[in-house]
Amino acid sequence: GESVGLHLPTLSVQEGDNSIINCAYSNSASDYFIWYKQESGKGPQFIIDIRSNMDKRQGQRVTVLLNKTVKHLSLQIAATQPGDSAVYFCAERGVGDYKLSFGAGTTVTVRA
Amino acid sequence: DTAVSQTPKYLVTQMGNDKSIKCEQNLGHDTMYWYKQDSKKFLKIMFSYNNKELIINETVPNRFSPKSPDKAHLNLHINSLELGDSAVYFCASSPGTPSAGEQYFGPGTRLTVT
Repeated sequence: GESVGLHLPTLSVQEGDNSIINCAYSNSASDYFIWYKQESGKGPQFIIDIRSNMDKRQGQRVTVLLNKTVKHLSLQIAATQPGDSAVYFCAERGVGDYKLSFGAGTTVTVRA
Repeated sequence: DTAVSQTPKYLVTQMGNDKSIKCEQNLGHDTMYWYKQDSKKFLKIMFSYNNKELIINETVPNRFSPKSPDKAHLNLHINSLELGDSAVYFCASSPGTPSAGEQYFGPGTRLTVT
């Protein structure tokens, strides 16, 4: 079946450094991609999204890159802060679908 | 005001019991979802309703039955609870069309079956 996966289950980052979280997806028909952040004991929280007609989108301290050729999605966090410690999920959605398919998540730990 | 709320936040019960989890959203969204998150943090869609109509029904035991009394509410009833049902259950909502943007998640209900 189709799935969205993450390259690394954990990432340890020094405070102030930039973080890059990677995600590989397998459904070439997906046209919408999204990153969520989940802090301990809370529900997933929207970070940023991107549609398949774009290859880059920037938010506040975050950038999402989409490479459709190799079916790869990444989330870059600039100047990582302790509050960025969380589990990060990528998800994809096919054309006309309601359903989001989530990857397994990357746990980011920020070192002081 | 909380956008997507769930009750209860924690639920501890014994095997064989029947329990319900409630979800409400005040965002005016047409579509609501139930997800299950296992101990490895994997999020899997269970059900989705659009304007009270079931549109997604993944491979879920028929002990799980969603009910949507109106488009702002989606409840999840679980019969004959089993140990493997222990997980965190998240409700989410989104605007009505598939091309709409992100889903908004509730805070989760941690279900523990003993």
